[in-house]
Amino acid sequence: QVQLVQSGAEVKKPGSSVMVSCRASGGTFSSYATNWLRQAPGQGLEWMGGVIPMFGTPNYAPKFQGRVTITADESTSTSYMELRSLTVGDTAVYYCARDWLPREMATNGFDPWGQGSLVTVSS
Amino acid sequence: DIQMTQSPSSLSASVGDRVTITCRASQNITSHLNWYQQKAGKPPKLLMYSASSLQSGVPSRFSGSGSGTDFTLTISSLQPEDFATYLCQQSYTFPTFGQGTTLDIK
Repeated sequence: QVQLVQSGAEVKKPGSSVMVSCRASGGTFSSYATNWLRQAPGQGLEWMGGVIPMFGTPNYAPKFQGRVTITADESTSTSYMELRSLTVGDTAVYYCARDWLPREMATNGFDPWGQGSLVTVSS
Repeated sequence: DIQMTQSPSSLSASVGDRVTITCRASQNITSHLNWYQQKAGKPPKLLMYSASSLQSGVPSRFSGSGSGTDFTLTISSLQPEDFATYLCQQSYTFPTFGQGTTLDIK
């Protein structure tokens, strides 16, 4: 069973950047999309984007295009999400989650999920 | 963006009850609809995909139906572990989620 383990909580200043990592263990990495989503306090889930490592080119939600970069390192089975120009509105739990079907992105649901990484943006 | 609207936003029920949660899309998404269960402090868990297909390992008391713009998630006989928040998500275009339905004990 594949497991996704994310990096720890971060506290950032407005205007700075944050990078969150997501390491996959126990399964195939390259052919499955790793997606990044976030959930702000009391808010709904937002899909930010994703990448299929074997293909390399990420897809981003329009809202985050230009401010987020998602990458994947096949040698370490780890995906990274960098979000720039942070504001207090970016305070949220950030999740990675995998498409459970290979070679597809955001088509048949996300399973499994990482445990979540809290990013707090505060001056 | 495709907007997903769930109803009700909250629901009280008892163990053994049959409950139905509704999700409506702002445009036709055919059967590209997934359901999740989320408990406090935990990530969501995929229950159903493609509107009516049960994800592996999910109990058969969960079922889903619908196509186009209107979808339902039904729990046939509530168990204590089912009290949680339920989320719908469309995968017709880039994913968007409903705001959730919180199911608590009556």
